[in-house]
Amino acid sequence: ETGVTQTPRHLVMGMTNKKSLKCEQHLGHNAMYWYKQSAKKPLELMFVYSLEERVENNSVPSRFSPECPNSSHLFLHLHTLQPEDSALYLCASSQGSSSGAEAFFGQGTRLTVV
Amino acid sequence: GDSVTQMEGPVTLSEEAFLTINCTYTATGYPSLFWYVQYPGEGLQLLLKATKADDKGSNKGFEATYRKETTSFHLEKGSVQVSDSAVYFCALSERAGGTSYGKLTFGQGTILTVHP
Repeated sequence: ETGVTQTPRHLVMGMTNKKSLKCEQHLGHNAMYWYKQSAKKPLELMFVYSLEERVENNSVPSRFSPECPNSSHLFLHLHTLQPEDSALYLCASSQGSSSGAEAFFGQGTRLTVV
Repeated sequence: GDSVTQMEGPVTLSEEAFLTINCTYTATGYPSLFWYVQYPGEGLQLLLKATKADDKGSNKGFEATYRKETTSFHLEKGSVQVSDSAVYFCALSERAGGTSYGKLTFGQGTILTVHP
C-alpha cells in the first residue's frame, strides 16, 4: 500500500470516551502533520513532527495528545472531547528538506463528538 | 506571518465554462505555491504546484502561474466538467528558518459546483 492512510474513516465518541486516530505513511517522508478541518473554517494546523520530534503545537487543547513512535506512524489520542471538536481530522506527510516540498494527505477521519 | 487569500465562493458554472479562482499571498521569503483539490468525503490531493517566479503549474487541464510582482497564483481551466466539482485550496510552503520541514499555509477554500 502506498500514500498516507488514516484509520478509522469515521468515529463517533462520547465526551467521556478515549479514542485514538492513526495515520501511516509509506512515502519515506520525514515530516508528519495533523490538521483540523471544520465547516466554514480554514484548515488549522495542529501539530508538526519532524524527524519524529514534535516541532510545532499550535495552541491545541491538551485533550488532544499526539504521538509519533517512528517516521511512518502518527497518532492523535483523544480524551474528554467537546462537541465543538467534531470535524474532519487530516494527516499529512512531506519530505521537508526544502521549501518546495508538497504535503500528501490522507483521506481523513470524520469525528463526531456526542 | 504568511497568509493566503482566495476568492469567496461558492462558484457555480455550467459545463464547458471558463474557470478562474483568484489567489493572492503574503510571504516573507520565496515560497512554493500549490493548488489542492478536495472531492466530497475525501482528503486533499495536490492538483499542481510552482516553485519559483514565472513557473506555470498544470495538471488535468488546470493551470496557474506564479506571479511574484502581483503575489498571485490564480487557478484557471478553459472548460470545466461536472467531475471538477470540489473544493479548491490555494496554499504556500515556506521553509521555516533553521528547520528541516516546509510548513503549508492554506487559503479558506473555494467551493466549485459545475452543472450539466
